[in-house]
Amino acid sequence: EDKVVQSPLSLVVHEGDTVTLNCSYEVTNFRSLLWYKQEKKAPTFLFMLTSSGIEKKSGRLSSILDKKELFSILNITATQTGDSAIYLCAVEPNYGQNFVFGPGTRLSVLP
Amino acid sequence: DVKVTQSSRYLVKRTGEKVFLECVQDMDHENMFWYRQDPGLGLRLIYFSYDVKMKEKGDIPEGYSVSREKKERFSLILESASTNQTSMYLCASSLTRTGALYGYTFGSGTRLTVV
Repeated sequence: EDKVVQSPLSLVVHEGDTVTLNCSYEVTNFRSLLWYKQEKKAPTFLFMLTSSGIEKKSGRLSSILDKKELFSILNITATQTGDSAIYLCAVEPNYGQNFVFGPGTRLSVLP
Repeated sequence: DVKVTQSSRYLVKRTGEKVFLECVQDMDHENMFWYRQDPGLGLRLIYFSYDVKMKEKGDIPEGYSVSREKKERFSLILESASTNQTSMYLCASSLTRTGALYGYTFGSGTRLTVV
């Protein structure tokens, strides 16, 4: 059975801290991995990763994929209260199959 | 700039009621999806549709049905609501059949409480 695990499930930090969120997976035939940010509204797309070792970056957020060890990390540097959200990881498990979502990591950034 | 709209943000319904959750997208996407989101379980796929009048069961279709009469509209129906269907429901659409390449565009969600 295809499976996506995220850790930690919940995290509380203070503004200015750097955080690393983890997503590991066990799927039939990995195709791609997505990261989303979900505040009190629609999840919004952050990154799509398909190749190992290539960092994707957007401002203070970055992400990288390791297809050998079957995981991805999402880094947020100099966190701000606006980074407080649930971060979702989703994996495309095989060609033509729907994405499998992890449980999400709830990040709270305190002032 | 709204792209996927869910008709209700919050709903409270009684056990046994028939419940309709509506979703409309304005991106001309053929592919639409209904998920439910529960703490610790993530997003689970209920139903999806690749085209008008087409529907496919997802991972947890029991107790639900869907309707896709027009390309832009995908409705989720709870035939007889039960308390274990209390959840956040998210609608999504995608340019590609599974969300590959471009990901999903999500609606803001409907938080349904069944009492």
